[in-house]
Amino acid sequence: GENVEQHPSTLSVQEGDSAVIKCTYSDSASNYFPWYKQELGKRPQLIIDIRSNVGEKKDQRIAVTLNKTAKHFSLHITETQPEDSAVYFCAASSNDMRFGAGTRLTVKP
Amino acid sequence: NAGVTQTPKFQVLKTGQSMTLQCAQDMNHEYMSWYRQDPGMGLRLIHYSVGAGITDQGEVPNGYNVSRSTTEDFPLRLLSAAPSQTSVYFCASSYQAPYNEQFFGPGTRLTVL
Repeated sequence: GENVEQHPSTLSVQEGDSAVIKCTYSDSASNYFPWYKQELGKRPQLIIDIRSNVGEKKDQRIAVTLNKTAKHFSLHITETQPEDSAVYFCAASSNDMRFGAGTRLTVKP
Repeated sequence: NAGVTQTPKFQVLKTGQSMTLQCAQDMNHEYMSWYRQDPGMGLRLIHYSVGAGITDQGEVPNGYNVSRSTTEDFPLRLLSAAPSQTSVYFCASSYQAPYNEQFFGPGTRLTVL
């Protein structure tokens, strides 16, 4: 089955700085790559996603890039704010959806 | 719409007991799945279903059974609970295959003593 690796496991940035989280996947048949944000005690919620026929997607301060050849994709958050503090998960889908282990992002005011 | 609902929210079991975690969705989603979340290990797929009458194993299926008799419901059964099954369990659903946003339920926190 699919194997998704995510780095780093923890990330601390100053408010206003950028944050980058990287993921790799193993199954070349994977064609959908979502990113979820999970606040403490809450359920995961989708923040952005990208499909295999697209290289980059932006939504305000959030962007995702995909390199299918290298089998890796990244989440970029610009102008970070304290409310961006949460755990972020990447995922990859072929027959099912597999998640990375998560990145705990802390934005210091 | 209620979205994805799960019951119970909390449960404490003794080793060897059985129980069923309930999951229901009212969005007419064909794809449903169960994940467990443990600290530092992300969300691990237990079982999934692409439609009524069809289920398949994920990456950590041992000790769990599922069935999908209707589009709306996807219960997860623990046949003989073990302390290693202490975790937070999330049910999720999406439109058609898992190539679309998965909507998660609020989760069930299970403790096995």
